[in-house]
Amino acid sequence: ELKVEQNPLFLSMQEGKNYTIYCNYSTTSDRLYWYRQDPGKSLESLFVLLSNGAVKQEGRLMASLDTKARLSTLHITAAVHDLSATYFCAVDKEDSGAGSYQLTFGKGTKLSVIP
Amino acid sequence: DTAVSQTPKYLVTQMGNDKSIKCEQNLGHDTMYWYKQDSKKFLKIMFSYNNKELIINETVPNRFSPKSPDKAHLNLHINSLELGDSAVYFCASSLHPEFGFTQYFGPGTRLLVL
Repeated sequence: ELKVEQNPLFLSMQEGKNYTIYCNYSTTSDRLYWYRQDPGKSLESLFVLLSNGAVKQEGRLMASLDTKARLSTLHITAAVHDLSATYFCAVDKEDSGAGSYQLTFGKGTKLSVIP
Repeated sequence: DTAVSQTPKYLVTQMGNDKSIKCEQNLGHDTMYWYKQDSKKFLKIMFSYNNKELIINETVPNRFSPKSPDKAHLNLHINSLELGDSAVYFCASSLHPEFGFTQYFGPGTRLLVL
């Protein structure tokens, strides 16, 4: 069974600081996704990482993927209050040759950025 | 334009009832999904469906059944609702998942079983 672990699960940081959220997964996969969820809202896609060494950046967020280490990171630079949300990583894997792909999500990292 | 829509947004019902949640996507995607998000915000896939096959997460009780009248719709029917079914249910869709396209999520349906 594919397992996806995020840490930390809760993160409180001051505006202007940098921090990294980690996402480890238990089996080989080349595809990792990051989503953002605001309280009471739906999930918004942030990044899709499809190969080893992939790095993507959007504003103050940068995501990377190391498939050999089975690790993705989401780095936050100079945090601002608007980044407060829950961030999920998710990994997909083909279902044993059945041709279907299903996402397995981490438990999420609840980020609070304090002024 | 709403890409993935769900109705109703809120659903409050009694134990033992049968209910349905509707999902529609106007993105032209060929694969649709249902997820359950529990009170601890943990997200778990329930079903994925394209025009070829339905993939069911083995942990999903058979009281839950997806129904797809056409490529743009995947409705979720729940029989004999139980207290533990209370959660937020998200519908999602994507293009060919084998190529790693991202999934687009609907706004969610908040189900409360009393």
